[in-house]
Amino acid sequence: NAGVMQNPRHLVRRRGQEARLRCSPVKGHSHVYWYRQLPEEGLKFMVYLQKENIIDESGMPKERFSAEFPKEGPSILRIQQVVRGDSAAYFCASSPRAGLFNEKLFFGSGTQLSVL
Amino acid sequence: GESVGLHLPTLSVQEGDNSIINCAYSNSASDYFIWYKQESGKGPQFIIDIRSNMDKRQGQRVTVLLNKTVKHLSLQIAATQPGDSAVYFCAANSGNTPLVFGKGTRLSVIA
Repeated sequence: NAGVMQNPRHLVRRRGQEARLRCSPVKGHSHVYWYRQLPEEGLKFMVYLQKENIIDESGMPKERFSAEFPKEGPSILRIQQVVRGDSAAYFCASSPRAGLFNEKLFFGSGTQLSVL
Repeated sequence: GESVGLHLPTLSVQEGDNSIINCAYSNSASDYFIWYKQESGKGPQFIIDIRSNMDKRQGQRVTVLLNKTVKHLSLQIAATQPGDSAVYFCAANSGNTPLVFGKGTRLSVIA
């Protein structure tokens, strides 16, 4: 029974390139969350998605960042024209129930993005 | 909005002793609280959670205490083991907001 799967584990990009981070939630979970973590910091909420819908993107930067969770396939966090400040660990989490925030999230192992 | 903070960024404990990690939150409307453990290079792992209608909840070797009067949360680990060494995060939210995480406390267990 696989947990949340994220890939790649490590991603290196040069400034100006695009980064695509993928997340497959726990089987049966239809709610996905993306968080960003800087070194020695806590996790910062970015976006909450259900299948084919963005529910809350209040933590997403207004430019260059986008997220989707299609009907089929993994959730994708896309960062266009990356800058050094985008270097961080990006974690995906999933939950099984509809419409609630106040329940535990199951986290993946994260993608470490390094921008050169 | 909510802000969550831990009282100490680091904590060193002798193996076998009990550990207490403290956390404060700001939003009196928060009604759900959760503790995660994060080992190096890994994602956060759920430890225990508690809702605002409770003051205490126990798990295996862990206890969470909630004091809503002073907006304080603590995690107690009994008989701390080397495998407990990790960063511990508390997080809080209300029913319609995302989980807000604190910065974490690094627990080091001294053998």
